[in-house]
Amino acid sequence: GENVEQHPSTLSVQEGDSAVIKCTYSDSASNYFPWYKQELGKGPQLIIDIRSNVGEKKDQRIAVTLNKTAKHFSLHITETQPEDSAVYFCAASGGGTASKLTFGTGTRLQVTL
Amino acid sequence: NAGVTQTPKFQVLKTGQSMTLQCAQDMNHEYMSWYRQDPGMGLRLIHYSVGAGITDQGEVPNGYNVSRSTTEDFPLRLLSAAPSQTSVYFCASSYIRGDGGELFFGEGSRLTVL
Repeated sequence: GENVEQHPSTLSVQEGDSAVIKCTYSDSASNYFPWYKQELGKGPQLIIDIRSNVGEKKDQRIAVTLNKTAKHFSLHITETQPEDSAVYFCAASGGGTASKLTFGTGTRLQVTL
Repeated sequence: NAGVTQTPKFQVLKTGQSMTLQCAQDMNHEYMSWYRQDPGMGLRLIHYSVGAGITDQGEVPNGYNVSRSTTEDFPLRLLSAAPSQTSVYFCASSYIRGDGGELFFGEGSRLTVL
């Protein structure tokens, strides 16, 4: 089955700096790569996703890049703000339905003032 | 719309007891799933369903049963609880698309097994 590795496990940045979280996946058949944000005491929420026919996607301060050859994808957050502090999960779909996601182990992002 | 609703939010069990975590969605999603979240291990898939009457195992199915009698409901049953099942459980649902789509999560159910 699919295996997703995520780094780093914790990340601390100053407000206004950029943050980068990286993930690798194992199944070359995976075609969908979403990123979820989980705030304290809540369920994860989708913040951005990318499909295998696209190399990069941006949404305001958030961008995701995908390198299918190397089987890795990254989340970039620019001009970080305190409300960006949360746990971020990458995921990949592998085998069968694309709804069946395998998640990374999560990155706790702390944005300090 | 309520989205994905999970009950209970908190539960304490003794080893060997049984219980059911309830999950309901009002978005007419075909796909429903259960994940458990443990520190340092991310979200791991327990069971999933692609429609009423159809269920399948995920990565960590042992000790859990599911059924899908309606599109809206997908309960997770613990037959004989063990301390290793102490975790936060999330139900999630989505439409089924060949190229993927948003998974909507409930607020979670925190289970402690003593």
